[in-house]
Amino acid sequence: EVQLVESGGGLVQPGRSLRLSCTPSGFTFGDYAMSWIRQAPGEGLEWVGFIRTKAYGGTTKYAASVQGRFTISRDDSTSIAYLQMNGLKTEDTAVYYCARADGATGYYGDLYYYMDVWGKGTTVTVSS
Amino acid sequence: DVQMTQSPSSLSASVGDRVTITCRASQSISTYLNWYQQKPGRAPKFLIHGASSLQSGVPSRFSGGGSGTDFTLTINSLQPEDFATYYCQQSYTPPLSFGGGTKVEIK
Repeated sequence: EVQLVESGGGLVQPGRSLRLSCTPSGFTFGDYAMSWIRQAPGEGLEWVGFIRTKAYGGTTKYAASVQGRFTISRDDSTSIAYLQMNGLKTEDTAVYYCARADGATGYYGDLYYYMDVWGKGTTVTVSS
Repeated sequence: DVQMTQSPSSLSASVGDRVTITCRASQSISTYLNWYQQKPGRAPKFLIHGASSLQSGVPSRFSGGGSGTDFTLTINSLQPEDFATYYCQQSYTPPLSFGGGTKVEIK
């Protein structure tokens, strides 16, 4: 069965750091980009960022709200994706989901992503 | 950045109804548009990519359409398990923004 499991969430004080992990099973991790998405309590989905596969340079992109504070990385040897969160703010409080980002060829012949497999999420609470 | 706007934000419908949700992009995104379904307390579920390509295993009563800036998600013959919140997301350019969601409730 294809699945993702997030871990590492918890209660943290403002300004501190936290690292989330995403552990996959049932598919070849290195073949897929990975994305992080969050959802604040009672709110909608917010894309946090993604990391491409090594074949596409392993490059990353982020939402403006986390750029410079959050870092997404991947270890294909152990099949784990990470979300390193530094300088946490109270507004970072959310359920954090990791998702597999599969790709398809678009109208212009380029690659576009969609999140086809999601983990159940891990809760991060930033509070003093 | 591309802004995604969904309408309505919520709607009430009955089992068997046909429901259409609209998603509008702030600039043309061709057909780089995905749809997701989320039930309370659950992770989102992927439904459609490329505006109209149905994910394997998703019932055929779900369909998507549109291109450029205007897109629709249609549910034909609404079933009890379809009551949920639906989100569109653009994949044209990062940040891969989501719409605000449309909650489909039981009338």
